[in-house]
Amino acid sequence: QSALTQPASVSGSPGQSITISCTGSSRDINSYHYVSWYQQHPGKAPKLLIYEVSSRPSGVSSRFSGSRSGNTASLTISGLQTEDEADYYCSSYTGGSPLWLFGGGTKLTVL
Amino acid sequence: EVLLEQSGTEVRKPGESLKISCKGSGYTFGSYWIVWVRQMPGKGLEWMGIIHPSGSITRYSPSFEGQVTMSAVGSLSTAYLQLNSLEASDTAIYYCARRVYSGDRGGEFDYWGQGTLVAVSS
Repeated sequence: QSALTQPASVSGSPGQSITISCTGSSRDINSYHYVSWYQQHPGKAPKLLIYEVSSRPSGVSSRFSGSRSGNTASLTISGLQTEDEADYYCSSYTGGSPLWLFGGGTKLTVL
Repeated sequence: EVLLEQSGTEVRKPGESLKISCKGSGYTFGSYWIVWVRQMPGKGLEWMGIIHPSGSITRYSPSFEGQVTMSAVGSLSTAYLQLNSLEASDTAIYYCARRVYSGDRGGEFDYWGQGTLVAVSS
């Protein structure tokens, strides 16, 4: 199976909202609610932002939200802040081989 | 506090092997599977495989099957990733992460190690 498809980059200004898409297939994103999103700052390990499509772990800002429509999952960041500038990765359980897929990653620039 | 502490930077020559460790603390190691993720320089995350904390069950991504060996020693709360016959293309950061799930399958990765940089060069 191929990686999930994300835009290479998105940008926004402080205070604005942006959405990052993640397109998979009927065998992954559209089959299981185990879609998650990770934030990675340069030189740091990834951090779980969203799990099970739209749930937020304790301590993650409510400015981050997730959703899904068919084969596409989305991460929305509202009220952009400079510290949101990072790489974002989606992931989906597949039930097949490999068991999980990651997206190619999206670089968010806060202008 | 949940921590996954990985072993340090490794520098190897082509053809050599190495074993990276990932030690869990602050939680019951035996209750959570461990995954391994590769990140090549300037690239995205790649799911390599998953191992039961007892070491008894592994599932590898087809992209890494036969190229790596995952193991775990529950009594040491430590998971391992062995890379064999290293090539320059194995140069990457390797992360371990804890898998958490609510049902009988799936899940996500809630805690990550700090990453281990592996550099392969002649």
